[in-house]
Amino acid sequence: AQTVTQSQPEMSVQEAETVTLSCTYDTSESDYYLFWYKQPPSRQMILVIRQEAYKQQNATENRFSVNFQKAAKSFSLKISDSQLGDAAMYFCASLSGGGADGLTFGKGTHLIIQP
Amino acid sequence: DSGVTQTPKHLITATGQRVTLRCSPRSGDLSVYWYQQSLDQGLQFLIQYYNGEERAKGNILERFSAQQFPDLHSELNLSSLELGDSALYFCASSVSGGSYTQYFGPGTRLTVL
Repeated sequence: AQTVTQSQPEMSVQEAETVTLSCTYDTSESDYYLFWYKQPPSRQMILVIRQEAYKQQNATENRFSVNFQKAAKSFSLKISDSQLGDAAMYFCASLSGGGADGLTFGKGTHLIIQP
Repeated sequence: DSGVTQTPKHLITATGQRVTLRCSPRSGDLSVYWYQQSLDQGLQFLIQYYNGEERAKGNILERFSAQQFPDLHSELNLSSLELGDSALYFCASSVSGGSYTQYFGPGTRLTVL
């Protein structure tokens, strides 16, 4: 079984600043994938970024990047140049590479952007 | 817009009743997943279907069942509803199972009174 832990229930950042959201996970599998999803007030779940565990290079998507520390089982999300539209719940999730399973989610971090 | 559609958007019903939630995956996606989001339990995986066959089960109650039809749309049936079943139910789809990214629909908000 996989577990995902997000230890920051809420984070606040000034517009245009950088913020890092933390996530740790636990899995006994060697083949797995990690994700960050964003859930704005509309409640839609939106994929932010994806990381394959077998890749050493950290994934980046525009202003969003991850710091993947495999040995420490850590997967943090860095948001650069924060914008008001980034305000949302952010969920870290893991997925077994085995093929038959669903995502395991953390409890989420509520990100507030201060104008 | 993820390309995944869910109907209805909102559903209000009474305890003991039965409801059906519907999901249409993105064009070309064969795999459908159902998730429940509640204040108590957070986001939980319920069940996965791949090309019409059940592939994986998560924390799905016996009162709940699902199926995937030949046109690949899926339905989640919830019966003998209880107050605690009130939640946001998401459907997600992916090209196949496994490591492919799951794209979520807008969800169905179920309220049980």
